[in-house]
Amino acid sequence: RKEVEQDPGPFNVPEGATVAFNCTYSNSASQSFFWYRQDCRKEPKLLMSVYSSGNEDGRFTAQLNRASQYISLLIRDSKLSDSATYLCVVNPRTKIIFGSGTRLSIRP
Amino acid sequence: DGGITQSPKYLFRKEGQNVTLSCEQNLNHDAMYWYRQDPGQGLRLIYYSQIVNDFQKGDIAEGYSVSREKKESFPLTVTSAQKNPTAFYLCASSIGRVIYNEQFFGPGTRLTVL
Repeated sequence: RKEVEQDPGPFNVPEGATVAFNCTYSNSASQSFFWYRQDCRKEPKLLMSVYSSGNEDGRFTAQLNRASQYISLLIRDSKLSDSATYLCVVNPRTKIIFGSGTRLSIRP
Repeated sequence: DGGITQSPKYLFRKEGQNVTLSCEQNLNHDAMYWYRQDPGQGLRLIYYSQIVNDFQKGDIAEGYSVSREKKESFPLTVTSAQKNPTAFYLCASSIGRVIYNEQFFGPGTRLTVL
């Protein structure tokens, strides 16, 4: 089993839709969690940290489920500009593990 | 403007040559990292450094070398021992000396071996 797994997609959804991705991790000792966004042929950019209590930033909501060992990202009212690859990052304190990413494509 | 710079943006290398990729940051971050990304894949950690004059191997360090003589700089050398060096190389940095803080990335260097 991979240490961090993401559905590669692509998710192809219409503008205005709500879309959610999950990212599962195997190390229960994982301490910190993040979502990054990566545009084609660009560097990843931090989208949000994921806190135990969950957190929201505008149209984006991140959740952590420690019992089931996954994090999620929800995007509401999706925009064309949300089209990108979304990478999850799981840090079990002594390692840094990036997921392979989920591709999202928003269509007009 | 604070940030991370990488140079060059594109680099072409002949087989058997060593090349050095530059990474500089003016964010006053303690930790710096090098990753490799292959098409359709996630990032894999090559080396990281939490403090000047010290660095640790990541998951795929073979065929690579680094130095950390200054806080601001963390160059990566891709040696001829690296069997498949064509990839997108990303440098990152983070606050503090722990490696699980959020990381900020430079724009990357695309290396192609001819």
